[in-house]
Amino acid sequence: DSGVTQTPKHLITATGQRVTLRCSPRSGDLSVYWYQQSLDQGLQFLIQYYNGEERAKGNILERFSAQQFPDLHSELNLSSLELGDSALYFCASSVGLARAVTQYFGPGTRLTVL
Amino acid sequence: QQPVQSPQAVILREGEDAVINCSSSKALYSVHWYRQKHGEAPIFLMILLKGGEQKGHDKISASFNEKKQQSSLYLTASQLSYSGTYFCGTEKGAGGTSYGKLTFGQGTILTVHP
Repeated sequence: DSGVTQTPKHLITATGQRVTLRCSPRSGDLSVYWYQQSLDQGLQFLIQYYNGEERAKGNILERFSAQQFPDLHSELNLSSLELGDSALYFCASSVGLARAVTQYFGPGTRLTVL
Repeated sequence: QQPVQSPQAVILREGEDAVINCSSSKALYSVHWYRQKHGEAPIFLMILLKGGEQKGHDKISASFNEKKQQSSLYLTASQLSYSGTYFCGTEKGAGGTSYGKLTFGQGTILTVHP
């Protein structure tokens, strides 16, 4: 158990819908990262937050957005869902904003878009 | 750019050794190694920093050749529990503020048989 929690564990929804994935980082960690893992794309970095502020963006679609709240939990919002958005979404956290810090991954949310 | 891992898959018998390589075309600051069981969270193994260091954890060790921008993960006397997909995540060495942003390789599937 990494100490990172994610809810829900599974999510099944229809195309065109909107969902929110939630992540609570390890106690004391200020950085949160979101990753998407699909069969054909591997682990793709989406976005990083540090202490409430967006710090880095990866291959995140415009239909996706995220935020980190004052209590440091983070939410990833996915809208106008398409079949291709079906994937495992992981949240990871680390202590600070520095190079070579260990990222601890949560158990993931499996999203299925029908 | 995504680092390239080789081989794509390895099949071993218990007690055998394996080497997994991770190569990047960009200058790197650090390389992070993770192991993931199917459908579970990636588990952190180790970080290597530029400087050509080596690290070890039980019977798993790794090296980072800064000149070649290549890291290798060595698994010796493999156990059944070593089965899973191994990912390297690379952190760029150039300046900037996107500390902690990792780009993952496509993964190497390791299967250990009794």
